[in-house]
Amino acid sequence: AQTVTQSQPEMSVQEAETVTLSCTYDTSESDYYLFWYKQPPSRQMILVIRQEAYKQQNATENRFSVNFQKAAKSFSLKISDSQLGDAAMYFCAYQEYGNKLVFGAGTILRVKS
Amino acid sequence: DVKVTQSSRYLVKRTGEKVFLECVQDMDHENMFWYRQDPGLGLRLIYFSYDVKMKEKGDIPEGYSVSREKKERFSLILESASTNQTSMYLCASSLKQVAAYEQYFGPGTRLTVT
Repeated sequence: AQTVTQSQPEMSVQEAETVTLSCTYDTSESDYYLFWYKQPPSRQMILVIRQEAYKQQNATENRFSVNFQKAAKSFSLKISDSQLGDAAMYFCAYQEYGNKLVFGAGTILRVKS
Repeated sequence: DVKVTQSSRYLVKRTGEKVFLECVQDMDHENMFWYRQDPGLGLRLIYFSYDVKMKEKGDIPEGYSVSREKKERFSLILESASTNQTSMYLCASSLKQVAAYEQYFGPGTRLTVT
């Protein structure tokens, strides 16, 4: 079964600085999708960014970007110019075409002012 | 704007009670999901549904059942609640798969079983 590992239970970043959240996954498939979801305190989980495995180019959404290393099965999330509103639990998730999402355990990100 | 709502934010039930958690989505999504979220374990899939009256077991279906009589509504049922079912329950919905599809989540129901 596919597994997703987030090795950092908690991370802290100073406002305006950059932070990277780590994620590794285990699969024997070549086609799949990877996601980062954000769950703010007491608010609904939302999609931050998505990456298709067949695309070599790393996905970017404004201040959020990923470093996708397919051979290493690594999918890290970089948040630039961190803001107080970025404080949340971040989940990495894996999906094969048409199949369910598999989530990591999550990383709590704290942003210091 | 996609909206997924859940019937309660907080719920306290006694051991042995039958518990219903309701989820409604307003975007005509075919797929609906129930997860439980526990610290250190992330989200684990309980059940999902690709269509009305259709259900599939997820990774941890034991002790739970579901019902989907209408496309917009997906209910999670705890037939006889136990203390180990104390958790945060999240509902999600998405379009029928054509590629990687984004799941839209509800606000969650924090269930405490005493």
